[in-house]
Amino acid sequence: AQKITQTQPGMFVQEKEAVTLDCTYDTSDPSYGLFWYKQPSSGEMIFLIYQGSYDQQNATEGRYSLNFQKARKSANLVISASQLGDSAMYFCAMREGGFQKLVFGTGTRLLVSP
Amino acid sequence: EAQVTQNPRYLITVTGKKLTVTCSQNMNHEYMSWYRQDPGLGLRQIYYSMNVEVTDKGDVPEGYKVSRKEKRNFPLILESPSPNQTSLYFCASRDLPRIDTQYFGPGTRLTVL
Repeated sequence: AQKITQTQPGMFVQEKEAVTLDCTYDTSDPSYGLFWYKQPSSGEMIFLIYQGSYDQQNATEGRYSLNFQKARKSANLVISASQLGDSAMYFCAMREGGFQKLVFGTGTRLLVSP
Repeated sequence: EAQVTQNPRYLITVTGKKLTVTCSQNMNHEYMSWYRQDPGLGLRQIYYSMNVEVTDKGDVPEGYKVSRKEKRNFPLILESPSPNQTSLYFCASRDLPRIDTQYFGPGTRLTVL
C-alpha cells in the first residue's frame, strides 16, 4: 500500500486565492511526521512546513498551513493568498519512528494564474 | 551559509563508464542520504548513513555504492551506469536528533546514454 498518496496530479488557482493540496498517509507507527516540500522548475527541494504526530496544533509558516486530521490520516497543505511564484511541484513526505528516510508522494503540480 | 552541495549539477555519460557524484555538507550533520527522483514516482531513497563508516541500503540501492569516510562527504558511485539510472539525484542531510528538518542539495541531473 502507498504510504503517501497525493491524488491531485495538477491544480490551478488564481493569484490571491487560497488553495489546498491534498495528502493522505498510511502508517501504524505512533511517532511520525509529515513534511511538505516545494520544487520549482529549477529543481531544488525547498522545505515548507512540518507537522509531528504528537503536535497538538496545526503547523503554520507564513502563508503555509497544514490541515492535520489525524483520525482521517490526512495532512493537507493550505497556501493562502497564492502568488505567481507559488507555481511549482509540491511533495508531501513522511518520516516514521527513527527517521531513517522520508517517504514521498508523487507530487502535485500547482499553477498560479494572474 | 549552511548548505548541502552536489557536483556535478548536470552530467551526460555513456553506459558502463564509472562515475561519482559528490555530496558535501557544512553543518556537521551525522545523517546523510541519497534519493533519486523519477517522473510519477516522487523521491526514493537509495542509501543513507547515520555516521562515519556507517551506511545502509534504502529502497532502491541496486547499481549504486556509497562511502562515508568523512562526516561532511557522502559520494554516490555508479560503477557501471545504465540508462535506467537516468534520473535526478538529491543528497540530503540532517542533524541526527532533529526529526523535523532535512536539508536537500540542489540536485544532480544524470543522463546515461
